[in-house]
Amino acid sequence: GAVVSQHPSRVICKSGTSVKIECRSLDFQATTMFWYRQFPKQSLMLMATSNEGSKATYEQGVEKDKFLINHASLTLSTLTVTSAHPEDSSFYICSASSEYNEQFFGPGTRLTVL
Amino acid sequence: SQELEQSPQSLIVQEGKNLTINCTSSKTLYGLYWYKQKYGEGLIFLMMLQKGGEEKSHEKITAKLDEKKQQSSLHITASQPSHAGIYLCGADGLFGGFKTIFGAGTRLFVKA
Repeated sequence: GAVVSQHPSRVICKSGTSVKIECRSLDFQATTMFWYRQFPKQSLMLMATSNEGSKATYEQGVEKDKFLINHASLTLSTLTVTSAHPEDSSFYICSASSEYNEQFFGPGTRLTVL
Repeated sequence: SQELEQSPQSLIVQEGKNLTINCTSSKTLYGLYWYKQKYGEGLIFLMMLQKGGEEKSHEKITAKLDEKKQQSSLHITASQPSHAGIYLCGADGLFGGFKTIFGAGTRLFVKA
Protein backbone atom coordinates (compact mmCIF):
# COMPACT_ATOMS: atom_id res chain seq x y z
CA GLY A 1 0.00 0.00 0.00
CA ALA A 2 0.90 3.62 -0.28
CA VAL A 3 3.35 5.02 2.23
CA VAL A 4 3.19 8.28 4.06
CA SER A 5 6.12 9.43 6.14
CA GLN A 6 6.40 12.02 8.86
CA HIS A 7 9.48 13.75 10.14
CA PRO A 8 10.50 14.00 12.85
CA SER A 9 8.93 11.06 14.69
CA ARG A 10 9.37 12.84 17.98
CA VAL A 11 10.57 16.25 19.01
CA ILE A 12 11.20 17.97 22.31
CA CYS A 13 11.43 21.73 22.30
CA LYS A 14 11.46 24.67 24.67
CA SER A 15 8.44 26.81 25.22
CA GLY A 16 8.32 29.71 22.78
CA THR A 17 10.12 28.00 19.94
CA SER A 18 8.59 26.90 16.64
CA VAL A 19 8.53 23.34 15.38
CA LYS A 20 8.04 22.15 11.82
CA ILE A 21 6.61 18.73 11.03
CA GLU A 22 6.82 17.29 7.53
CA CYS A 23 4.38 14.91 5.92
CA ARG A 24 5.36 13.19 2.68
CA SER A 25 3.56 10.81 0.39
CA LEU A 26 6.32 8.56 -0.86
CA ASP A 27 4.86 6.75 -3.83
CA PHE A 28 1.81 8.68 -4.88
CA GLN A 29 0.69 12.23 -5.43
CA ALA A 30 -1.64 13.59 -2.84
CA THR A 31 -3.69 16.59 -3.79
CA THR A 32 -5.18 16.61 -0.32
CA MET A 33 -3.51 16.06 3.02
CA PHE A 34 -5.08 16.17 6.43
CA TRP A 35 -3.57 17.08 9.77
CA TYR A 36 -4.86 15.56 12.99
CA ARG A 37 -4.05 15.95 16.64
CA GLN A 38 -4.46 13.27 19.25
CA PHE A 39 -4.27 13.52 23.01
CA PRO A 40 -3.66 10.37 25.09
CA LYS A 41 -6.64 8.05 25.13
CA GLN A 42 -8.66 10.37 22.98
CA SER A 43 -9.76 10.28 19.38
CA LEU A 44 -8.03 11.94 16.49
CA MET A 45 -9.16 15.48 16.00
CA LEU A 46 -9.05 16.93 12.53
CA MET A 47 -7.17 20.20 12.57
CA ALA A 48 -7.07 21.20 8.94
CA THR A 49 -7.38 20.09 5.35
CA SER A 50 -4.48 20.98 3.12
CA ASN A 51 -4.80 21.22 -0.64
CA GLU A 52 -1.77 21.57 -2.85
CA GLY A 53 -1.23 25.09 -4.02
CA SER A 54 -3.96 26.67 -1.94
CA LYS A 55 -4.57 27.82 1.60
CA ALA A 56 -5.45 25.20 4.17
CA THR A 57 -8.96 24.92 5.52
CA TYR A 58 -8.95 24.93 9.31
CA GLU A 59 -11.52 23.31 11.55
CA GLN A 60 -13.39 25.42 14.02
CA GLY A 61 -11.35 26.23 17.09
CA VAL A 62 -7.96 25.65 15.46
CA GLU A 63 -5.80 28.77 15.36
CA LYS A 64 -4.50 29.45 11.88
CA ASP A 65 -1.65 31.62 13.10
CA LYS A 66 -0.62 29.02 15.65
CA PHE A 67 -0.61 26.04 13.32
CA LEU A 68 0.79 27.08 9.97
CA ILE A 69 0.22 24.64 7.15
CA ASN A 70 1.97 24.71 3.83
CA HIS A 71 1.25 22.27 1.00
CA ALA A 72 3.94 23.23 -1.46
CA SER A 73 3.89 20.16 -3.66
CA LEU A 74 1.82 17.07 -4.38
CA THR A 75 4.00 15.02 -2.07
CA LEU A 76 4.77 17.36 0.81
CA SER A 77 2.78 19.21 3.43
CA THR A 78 4.26 20.87 6.50
CA LEU A 79 2.74 21.82 9.82
CA THR A 80 4.54 24.47 11.85
CA VAL A 81 3.60 24.90 15.48
CA THR A 82 4.57 28.49 16.19
CA SER A 83 5.59 29.73 19.63
CA ALA A 84 4.89 26.33 21.11
CA HIS A 85 3.66 26.00 24.67
CA PRO A 86 3.29 22.94 26.92
CA GLU A 87 -0.39 22.65 26.07
CA ASP A 88 0.61 22.08 22.44
CA SER A 89 2.28 18.85 23.46
CA SER A 90 0.44 16.14 21.60
CA PHE A 91 0.64 13.51 18.91
CA TYR A 92 0.28 14.98 15.43
CA ILE A 93 -0.72 12.72 12.58
CA CYS A 94 -1.03 13.51 8.91
CA SER A 95 -2.80 11.60 6.21
CA ALA A 96 -2.69 11.84 2.46
CA SER A 97 -5.52 11.16 0.11
CA SER A 98 -4.85 9.35 -3.15
CA GLU A 99 -6.65 9.89 -6.44
CA TYR A 100 -8.90 6.99 -5.48
CA ASN A 101 -9.85 8.81 -2.29
CA GLU A 102 -8.09 6.27 -0.09
CA GLN A 103 -6.60 7.88 2.95
CA PHE A 104 -3.16 6.77 4.14
CA PHE A 105 -1.85 7.78 7.53
CA GLY A 106 1.63 8.81 8.56
CA PRO A 107 3.23 7.27 11.65
CA GLY A 108 2.75 10.43 13.66
CA THR A 109 4.98 12.94 15.42
CA ARG A 110 5.06 13.22 19.16
CA LEU A 111 5.67 16.78 20.25
CA THR A 112 6.73 17.57 23.79
CA VAL A 113 7.05 21.20 24.78
CA LEU A 114 8.97 21.86 27.96
CA SER B 1 1.99 -6.27 16.50
CA GLN B 2 -1.64 -5.46 16.87
CA GLU B 3 -3.81 -5.49 13.77
CA LEU B 4 -7.35 -4.48 13.01
CA GLU B 5 -9.39 -6.23 10.36
CA GLN B 6 -12.56 -4.67 9.02
CA SER B 7 -15.32 -6.44 7.17
CA PRO B 8 -16.78 -6.11 4.69
CA GLN B 9 -14.36 -4.07 2.60
CA SER B 10 -17.26 -2.50 0.77
CA LEU B 11 -21.00 -2.58 1.02
CA ILE B 12 -23.84 -1.48 -1.22
CA VAL B 13 -27.23 -1.23 0.42
CA GLN B 14 -30.64 0.03 -0.58
CA GLU B 15 -31.81 3.14 1.22
CA GLY B 16 -33.78 2.20 4.29
CA LYS B 17 -31.96 -1.07 4.91
CA ASN B 18 -29.94 -1.87 8.02
CA LEU B 19 -26.29 -2.82 7.87
CA THR B 20 -23.42 -3.92 10.10
CA ILE B 21 -19.69 -3.33 9.82
CA ASN B 22 -17.24 -5.33 11.93
CA CYS B 23 -13.82 -4.54 13.30
CA THR B 24 -11.78 -7.41 14.73
CA SER B 25 -8.56 -7.05 16.65
CA SER B 26 -5.78 -9.57 17.02
CA LYS B 27 -5.32 -8.43 20.61
CA THR B 28 -7.42 -7.01 23.40
CA LEU B 29 -8.73 -3.55 22.66
CA TYR B 30 -8.25 -0.86 25.25
CA GLY B 31 -9.85 1.93 23.29
CA LEU B 32 -11.79 1.51 20.05
CA TYR B 33 -12.75 4.46 17.87
CA TRP B 34 -15.10 4.65 14.95
CA TYR B 35 -14.63 7.32 12.32
CA LYS B 36 -16.42 8.24 9.15
CA GLN B 37 -14.86 9.79 6.13
CA LYS B 38 -16.94 11.43 3.48
CA TYR B 39 -15.30 11.27 0.09
CA GLY B 40 -12.60 13.90 -0.18
CA GLU B 41 -12.88 15.04 3.42
CA GLY B 42 -11.10 14.34 6.70
CA LEU B 43 -12.12 11.82 9.31
CA ILE B 44 -15.11 12.59 11.49
CA PHE B 45 -15.09 11.05 14.94
CA LEU B 46 -18.24 9.04 15.64
CA MET B 47 -17.72 7.37 19.00
CA MET B 48 -15.28 5.71 21.33
CA LEU B 49 -15.74 2.43 23.22
CA GLN B 50 -13.60 1.27 26.09
CA LYS B 51 -15.44 -1.17 28.27
CA GLY B 52 -16.34 -4.72 27.33
CA GLY B 53 -20.01 -4.88 26.41
CA GLU B 54 -20.23 -1.12 26.03
CA GLU B 55 -22.68 0.18 23.45
CA LYS B 56 -23.06 3.73 22.20
CA SER B 57 -25.35 5.41 19.72
CA HIS B 58 -25.06 8.48 17.57
CA GLU B 59 -28.23 9.28 15.69
CA LYS B 60 -28.98 6.08 13.72
CA ILE B 61 -25.54 4.61 14.23
CA THR B 62 -24.85 2.19 17.08
CA ALA B 63 -21.52 0.67 17.97
CA LYS B 64 -20.74 -2.06 20.44
CA LEU B 65 -17.57 -3.54 21.89
CA ASP B 66 -17.87 -7.21 22.71
CA GLU B 67 -17.25 -8.60 26.21
CA LYS B 68 -13.85 -9.97 25.32
CA LYS B 69 -12.88 -6.59 23.88
CA GLN B 70 -11.56 -7.97 20.64
CA GLN B 71 -14.34 -7.08 18.26
CA SER B 72 -16.55 -4.11 17.65
CA SER B 73 -19.55 -3.82 15.39
CA LEU B 74 -21.07 -0.69 13.90
CA HIS B 75 -24.73 -0.90 13.02
CA ILE B 76 -26.67 1.58 10.92
CA THR B 77 -30.43 1.48 11.06
CA ALA B 78 -32.55 2.58 8.11
CA SER B 79 -29.61 3.73 6.03
CA GLN B 80 -29.77 6.98 4.12
CA PRO B 81 -27.64 8.44 1.31
CA SER B 82 -26.01 10.69 3.91
CA HIS B 83 -24.55 7.59 5.55
CA ALA B 84 -22.42 6.86 2.50
CA GLY B 85 -18.69 7.11 2.99
CA ILE B 86 -15.78 5.20 4.42
CA TYR B 87 -16.05 3.88 7.96
CA LEU B 88 -12.79 3.37 9.76
CA CYS B 89 -12.13 1.74 13.10
CA GLY B 90 -9.10 2.74 15.10
CA ALA B 91 -7.61 1.39 18.29
CA ASP B 92 -5.09 2.49 20.85
CA GLY B 93 -1.91 0.67 20.02
CA LEU B 94 0.01 -0.93 22.82
CA PHE B 95 3.41 -0.17 21.35
CA GLY B 96 5.26 3.04 22.08
CA GLY B 97 2.63 4.67 24.20
CA PHE B 98 -0.48 6.05 22.70
CA LYS B 99 -0.76 5.65 18.98
CA THR B 100 -3.82 4.87 17.00
CA ILE B 101 -3.77 1.98 14.55
CA PHE B 102 -6.46 1.71 11.91
CA GLY B 103 -8.44 -0.87 10.05
CA ALA B 104 -8.46 -0.75 6.25
CA GLY B 105 -11.90 0.84 6.17
CA THR B 106 -15.30 -0.15 4.85
CA ARG B 107 -16.74 1.71 1.88
CA LEU B 108 -20.47 2.14 2.18
CA PHE B 109 -22.65 3.03 -0.77
CA VAL B 110 -26.34 3.71 -0.24
CA LYS B 111 -28.64 3.46 -3.26
CA ALA B 112 -31.58 5.81 -3.28
